[in-house]
Amino acid sequence: NAGVTQTPKFRVLKTGQSMTLLCAQDMNHEYMYWYRQDPGMGLRLIHYSVGEGTTAKGEVPDGYNVSRLKKQNFLLGLESAAPSQTSVYFCASSYSRRAGTKQYFGPGTRLTVT
Amino acid sequence: GQQLNQSPQSMFIQEGEDVSMNCTSSSIFNTWLWYKQDPGEGPVLLIALYKAGELTSNGRLTAQFGITRKDSFLNISASIPSDVGIYFCAGSSGYSTLTFGKGTMLLVSP
Repeated sequence: NAGVTQTPKFRVLKTGQSMTLLCAQDMNHEYMYWYRQDPGMGLRLIHYSVGEGTTAKGEVPDGYNVSRLKKQNFLLGLESAAPSQTSVYFCASSYSRRAGTKQYFGPGTRLTVT
Repeated sequence: GQQLNQSPQSMFIQEGEDVSMNCTSSSIFNTWLWYKQDPGEGPVLLIALYKAGELTSNGRLTAQFGITRKDSFLNISASIPSDVGIYFCAGSSGYSTLTFGKGTMLLVSP
């Protein structure tokens, strides 16, 4: 049981390039989330998914797109990377979205945009 | 949106000391969660609180759900070097997504 895994662990992009971050979970969770973490800002929700084929915007969705084609996978895309998207990205999953449901996090992807 | 104020921002303590940190919210939460993030890793859940006034322990860690439902506290007793990391509080109510505090960075000197 690997929990939540993320690939890649590190990536450097040039401004304007695109990339996709992959999150996978093996806990059969319905809900998945993408966060970004910046120094002094805590964790901010980018997008989330309440089930296969559905996605919703979080607090900071601009510049990102997501897809949930399979229950176990949640993809985060950057179509045209900008230096402001330099951050550490975390994926999380939970079995429900009700208050009290614990979210389990992946190890993170450190992205630098030059 | 909901705001969480977490304090202190950072703490530098000696091994063996006790530590206290807290979070306050601008609105009522039904759940408080406390996470720890080790350097270079993702957050790991430490304690979950579901009821106002609830006091829950996990080893040397004790967390409390404030009776106003707008705050929560985390205490670490007899700190050790491996307690180093960033501690986050998070809260939610109903079907809302989690709101995270900005974290408390804890440094422990041997």
